[in-house]
Amino acid sequence: SAVISQKPSRDICQRGTSLTIQCQVDSQVTMMFWYRQQPGQSLTLIATANQGSEATYESGFVIDKFPISRPNLTFSTLTVSNMSPEDSSIYLCSVEGPFRGETQYFGPGTRLLVL
Amino acid sequence: SQELEQSPQSLIVQEGKNLTINCTSSKTLYGLYWYKQKYGEGLIFLMMLQKGGEEKSHEKITAKLDEKKQQSSLHITASQPSHAGIYLCGAGPLGQNFVFGPGTRLSVLP
Repeated sequence: SAVISQKPSRDICQRGTSLTIQCQVDSQVTMMFWYRQQPGQSLTLIATANQGSEATYESGFVIDKFPISRPNLTFSTLTVSNMSPEDSSIYLCSVEGPFRGETQYFGPGTRLLVL
Repeated sequence: SQELEQSPQSLIVQEGKNLTINCTSSKTLYGLYWYKQKYGEGLIFLMMLQKGGEEKSHEKITAKLDEKKQQSSLHITASQPSHAGIYLCGAGPLGQNFVFGPGTRLSVLP
């Protein structure tokens, strides 16, 4: 299994500002995933982050709004840019187990409120 | 805290066969989410069920919520190799208390 930590655990931000969320894993992983869970909605995949290459974004998410860094095999950041109240969500990072057929492991989440 | 169990743990079916995956909760279900995971692709949201007796379908996948039994079932009709993956149910309030089941690994043989 993988142990994942996220910083910050929660934040309250003003409209128009940006917030960078950090995700640290206790082991080297190839792929890291960023999800969003908006109030009353399901967990939604934002992007997949591979080390050494640009992140792959899902439909409806763009790099200008959610830039992602993946400088090494244990760390990634997600920035929520030019925030609006609609960005108020819980943001989670996740990694797969090293073996095919393993389910994913999730970080504790970052709870973001945009005023 | 809420816990989810899934059955079966794994499933191997021949293409074209129907199958059912169950998710049982230790507490009352107020909302139940189904996801599919394919290796290297992240979790894909399939559907959400909120009310007892609710049934939703997406292509050949149908899910039902039995609130009284604290259970949901996911049924795949005429399975195809593209259905292979891990199916996860999830439930709970948003954020850190959201829980997932352990997953059901589905293989579909051509």
